Amino acid sequence: DAKTTQPTSMDCAEGRAANLPCNHSTISGNEYVYWYRQIHSQGPQYIIHGLKNNETNEMASLIITEDRKSSTLILPHATLRDTAVYYCIVRVVGAGNMLTFGGGTRLMVKP
Amino acid sequence: SAVISQKPSRDICQRGTSLTIQCQVDSQVTMMFWYRQQPGQSLTLIATANQGSEATYESGFVIDKFPISRPNLTFSTLTVSNMSPEDSSIYLCSVERQGQATEAFFGQGTRLTVV
Repeated sequence: DAKTTQPTSMDCAEGRAANLPCNHSTISGNEYVYWYRQIHSQGPQYIIHGLKNNETNEMASLIITEDRKSSTLILPHATLRDTAVYYCIVRVVGAGNMLTFGGGTRLMVKP
Repeated sequence: SAVISQKPSRDICQRGTSLTIQCQVDSQVTMMFWYRQQPGQSLTLIATANQGSEATYESGFVIDKFPISRPNLTFSTLTVSNMSPEDSSIYLCSVERQGQATEAFFGQGTRLTVV
């Protein structure tokens, strides 16, 4: 069963903010929201994760709604190198809890 | 972070043969995972490999087809046995450290083409 729903593809102009939405309406109280991206021909790369508070790191910001049923990954100033497939994943943290990848969003950053 | 080295990075193999993919990590890790990514598709977990125990396979994957070794805390191998063209995929190794909220690290993958 798909635990997350993401748009199949999105475009973003270079230098603008890219806002990638994710719905996870069946998320459990102990499940975190993780974001990974996969640039063409590379392995997935961790971006950010959060439980219920908004999070920010050097790569992106993660905004989680109060009811935790959806979230948005924000790349504040998208560059051409941010073109990738972005995966939103919910998971319980702990030994043996693997990542279950959905279809992801293919983000195309255009000049 | 963890640096993961996968070998080979790519290979073209004849059907009916087997290929062993190696995954080497620069530090000791508890959990190692093997994923498959078929052309144009997302990643699918094949199995979880723990040191000192049998690998745990996901539905649709069996040990006879994808035998896995995990001899120590920094190394694992995945063998794709009796290959057919349907096995053409990218195979990825992933590791995770135990902790309160862990992140997974991925190798660059092995691109396998079966002809």
